[in-house]
Amino acid sequence: ETGVTQSPTHLIKTRGQQVTLRCSSQSGHNTVSWYQQALGQGPQFIFQYYREEENGRGNFPPRFSGLQFPNYSSELNVNALELDDSALYLCASSERLGAGAQGIQYFGAGTRLSVL
Amino acid sequence: AQKVTQAQTEISVVEKEDVTLDCVYETRDTTYYLFWYKQPPSGELVFLIRRNSFDEQNEISGRYSWNFQKSTSSFNFTITASQVVDSAVYFCALSEDEAAGNKLTFGGGTRVLVKP
Repeated sequence: ETGVTQSPTHLIKTRGQQVTLRCSSQSGHNTVSWYQQALGQGPQFIFQYYREEENGRGNFPPRFSGLQFPNYSSELNVNALELDDSALYLCASSERLGAGAQGIQYFGAGTRLSVL
Repeated sequence: AQKVTQAQTEISVVEKEDVTLDCVYETRDTTYYLFWYKQPPSGELVFLIRRNSFDEQNEISGRYSWNFQKSTSSFNFTITASQVVDSAVYFCALSEDEAAGNKLTFGGGTRVLVKP
């Protein structure tokens, strides 16, 4: 086990609703990254948080937003849900080592979101 | 732009056979990292290995071995004497952009099915 925990494990929402997913990082890790994995595909980078600020973002619209808290845990928020948002959302924690160097990203088991 | 291609979508073998997973990457950077992750049915991505672009030495860890060749932009993964527990989806990934938080760019994955 990596020590990265995500909640909830499963979630069902309807189109247009909003959702919040949560992630607790591994002890000692100060960086959290979020990925979206559609069925049968590889994970796609959404964004990363370091020291409570967004530090890099993938090709996702602004309705995908996030937060990082002082204890390094993080939330992913998605507004105005669309059917295509149905996916496994993975959180990864890592340690920023200084001068931009990043440690290995360790993943949680994910939250499976279904949008009906 | 960075890209990772895993041409094999699914490989089926009988236990004790060797299996090699191909990974080809594209990047303009001279400094980058390559990864392999395993995703069992539980969904969690399990870290297997990280190599940096300056270290082309092949690596062996138990039944796992990796062949990194910069000349062909490939980072292949071999499982020797496969076991049923090796059944999973395996992802190759690339990380290059420290300014973007060292995001991981994943290939589409290769599903390995090991039959008893």
